[in-house]
Amino acid sequence: EVQLVESGGGLVQPGGSLKLSCAASGFLFSDSPIHWVRQSSEKGLQWVGRIRNKRNNHATAYTASVEGRFTISRDDSKNTAYLQMDSLRPEDTAVYYCTRHLDGVKTDCWGQGTLVTVAS
Amino acid sequence: DIQVTQSPSTLSASVGDRVTITCRASETFRNFLAWYQQKPGRAPKLLIYKASILESGVPSRFSGSGSGTEFTLTISNLQPEDFATYYCQQYSVYWTFGQGTKVEIK
Repeated sequence: EVQLVESGGGLVQPGGSLKLSCAASGFLFSDSPIHWVRQSSEKGLQWVGRIRNKRNNHATAYTASVEGRFTISRDDSKNTAYLQMDSLRPEDTAVYYCTRHLDGVKTDCWGQGTLVTVAS
Repeated sequence: DIQVTQSPSTLSASVGDRVTITCRASETFRNFLAWYQQKPGRAPKLLIYKASILESGVPSRFSGSGSGTEFTLTISNLQPEDFATYYCQQYSVYWTFGQGTKVEIK
């Protein structure tokens, strides 16, 4: 069964940092681009960024509002992707999902999500 | 960025109805458009990809159509389990999502 499981969410103060993990199973993780998406009641679903596979040099891209603050990485030996979030702001409060995307085809698997709350 | 706008934001319908949700894009793009269903507390579930291809395991009462800047999701013979929120997503240039359409019981 194709599965993604996020972890690492929690409450953090503005300006703080948090690192989310996305553990994959049931498919060839190293071949798959991984995208992060967040969802809040204020902004709905918002793409955060993505990391491509090794064949594409693990290239990353981010939405403008997180560029320079968030970093996506992956460890193919552990079948895990990461989202390092620094300089967090209250508007980053959301449920964060990692997703598997079949290049140019579809996004067919989402994790269960992990809640990040940025508040003092 | 390609923006996508969904309408309506809320739709009231009855079991057995046929409902249509529209997604309009700010510019023309290739048919990298998907539709998702989301229920409270759950992750979005893929229904349709590449504008009109039904995801495996999704009932055939769901269908997608459109091209260019206008796309539609149709649910024929609405079932009780279909009351949920639906989102469109373009994945031609990075990703953007519509604001969602809540399908509620009339």
